[in-house]
Amino acid sequence: NAGVTQTPKFQVLKTGQSMTLQCAQDMNHNSMYWYRQDPGMGLRLIYYSASEGTTDKGEVPNGYNVSRLNKREFSLRLESAAPSQTSVYFCASSDPLGDKTYEQYFGPGTRLTVT
Amino acid sequence: RKEVEQDPGPFNVPEGATVAFNCTYSNSASQSFFWYRQDCRKEPKLLMSVYSSGNEDGRFTAQLNRASQYISLLIRDSKLSDSATYLCVVNRREYGNKLVFGAGTILRVKS
Repeated sequence: NAGVTQTPKFQVLKTGQSMTLQCAQDMNHNSMYWYRQDPGMGLRLIYYSASEGTTDKGEVPNGYNVSRLNKREFSLRLESAAPSQTSVYFCASSDPLGDKTYEQYFGPGTRLTVT
Repeated sequence: RKEVEQDPGPFNVPEGATVAFNCTYSNSASQSFFWYRQDCRKEPKLLMSVYSSGNEDGRFTAQLNRASQYISLLIRDSKLSDSATYLCVVNRREYGNKLVFGAGTILRVKS
């Protein structure tokens, strides 16, 4: 039981390049999330998917797109990377119907640098 | 004003000390409250939920004051392994069970 996995762990991009961050969970959770974490800012929600087939914007969606490929997988795409997108990206999942109703489980993160 | 505010610290304490962190939140509609722990360069993990009546888990005690909109975490008999960043987190039902995170309070426990 791997929990939440993310790839890649590290990435360096040049301004204008594109890439997709992959996330998968094996806990059969309905909801999945993408956050970014910057020093002094806390985690900020980029996009989330309340259930398979739905996605919605969080508080900082500009410059990103997402795909909920199936119940397990939720990817985050940067179409044209900018230096302001240098950050640590975390994927998380939760099951609002579960026992610990609001606990979110996080992946290990992707450290992205845009030069 | 940030929705969840925490003293960033760092709090430097000796082993065995008692340390307390406070957190304030601005949205009175917040319904659920948590403390997460984040080790250096790792992902956040749930430490404990915070209930209206207060709750304890071993050396950790969490309190909620809805009237003043603040949450506290007390750590007794600090261990070196408690060194981490502690994130105050509130939930709102809108936006698909969204969690709003504070920026965190750094704790360093020294021998």
